[in-house]
Amino acid sequence: AQRVTQPEKLLSVFKGAPVELKCNYSYSGSPELFWYVQYSRQRLQLLLRHISRESIKGFTADLNKGETSFHLKKPFAQEEDSAMYYCAPTLRGKLIFGQGTELSVKP
Amino acid sequence: EAGVVQSPRYKIIEKKQPVAFWCNPISGHNTLYWYLQNLGQGPELLIRYENEEAVDDSQLPKDRFSAERLKGVDSTLKIQPAELGDSAVYLCASSFGRETDTQYFGPGTRLTVL
Repeated sequence: AQRVTQPEKLLSVFKGAPVELKCNYSYSGSPELFWYVQYSRQRLQLLLRHISRESIKGFTADLNKGETSFHLKKPFAQEEDSAMYYCAPTLRGKLIFGQGTELSVKP
Repeated sequence: EAGVVQSPRYKIIEKKQPVAFWCNPISGHNTLYWYLQNLGQGPELLIRYENEEAVDDSQLPKDRFSAERLKGVDSTLKIQPAELGDSAVYLCASSFGRETDTQYFGPGTRLTVL
């Protein structure tokens, strides 16, 4: 069965600290991998996708096929990064969202 | 561009009543999605349309839920009759439809069933 696990419901860090939001997936096939973010009172929106190999707002995500993980990282967290983050592999056009990790960046 | 439009934003009904949600996707987006998001969970796909065709409705509880996208543009999701457990946020999203395309989400409709 296809499954996405985000083990931390809440991650709290201080401003300027590194942050890593974990995502593990269990899939048959080779899914495309996305991270979506929802800031307070805003819509769910794409943060980044693996296929683009890009860094958005200082975040990067590394795919580890051996560990089937797609962790999201940022070296220096900012207060404006506080939000809900969802890992979302997709296969045949179907996004499967994890439960989400709430990131809280304290001043 | 207003993005994906959903209405109503909030709905409170009593159990056993019917309810309908409306979604207008971004212009030019062929693919439309309805998701259910329970409190503390990620969104779960209910149904995906490519133009007028429902290409994935495997997660739609068909005994009480129905959806339509008659002209391949806007869409309606209906619940009849609503149950207490249907209280959740119903999200609509749209995309051009290719697997790697970004899905753009609406603001959602928060349903409370009393």
